[in-house]
Amino acid sequence: KQEVTQIPAALSVPEGENLVLNCSFTDSAIYNLQWFRQDPGKGLTSLLLIQSSQREQTSGRLNASLDKSSGRSTLYIAASQPGDSATYLCAVTFDDYKLSFGAGTTVTVRA
Amino acid sequence: GAGVSQSPRYKVAKRGQDVALRCDPISGHVSLFWYQQALGQGPEFLTYFQNEAQLDKSGLPSDRFFAERPEGSVSTLKIQRTQQEDSAVYLCASSFGTGVAPSYEQYFGPGTRLTVT
Repeated sequence: KQEVTQIPAALSVPEGENLVLNCSFTDSAIYNLQWFRQDPGKGLTSLLLIQSSQREQTSGRLNASLDKSSGRSTLYIAASQPGDSATYLCAVTFDDYKLSFGAGTTVTVRA
Repeated sequence: GAGVSQSPRYKVAKRGQDVALRCDPISGHVSLFWYQQALGQGPEFLTYFQNEAQLDKSGLPSDRFFAERPEGSVSTLKIQRTQQEDSAVYLCASSFGTGVAPSYEQYFGPGTRLTVT
């Protein structure tokens, strides 16, 4: 079964510290991987999409890496701010069009 | 707005009632998806449309769930005889492309939070 796992489930850091969020998946044959942000009671905001041929993507303070051979992706958020507090979801497109999601990592950035 | 919209944002239903949830995808997006997100979990796939054709309904949890997209734009997810286990956030997403391609990104709406009492 194709699965996506995110550990830890929750993370609390002081403001200014760099955040490292992990995502692992069971099948290396993927089309792409997306990182999303979800605020309480809200929908999903796409942060970064990494295509299967790419090793990383960057947007502002965000950088996501992809290592298909080991089935891992890491989202780095530099110099965290209280506004970064949210749940971060990793989603993988395996062999078809549907996204398979991890359960998410809930991040709290303490001021 | 140019994003995916969903209505209602919140719905409370008594057990046994029927509900209908609406999704307006981004204009021109061919693909439309419905996902169900239980509390504390990641979204799970329910069904997929390519234009008006429902190509995959493998994620629908029971025959009480029904989805349609008759004109290839707006979609409705209907749940008949709601049960407490149907309580969740129902998310709609749309994508420009069809099939699968590494560059195809799904854009999500704000979701409908369904509470069955």
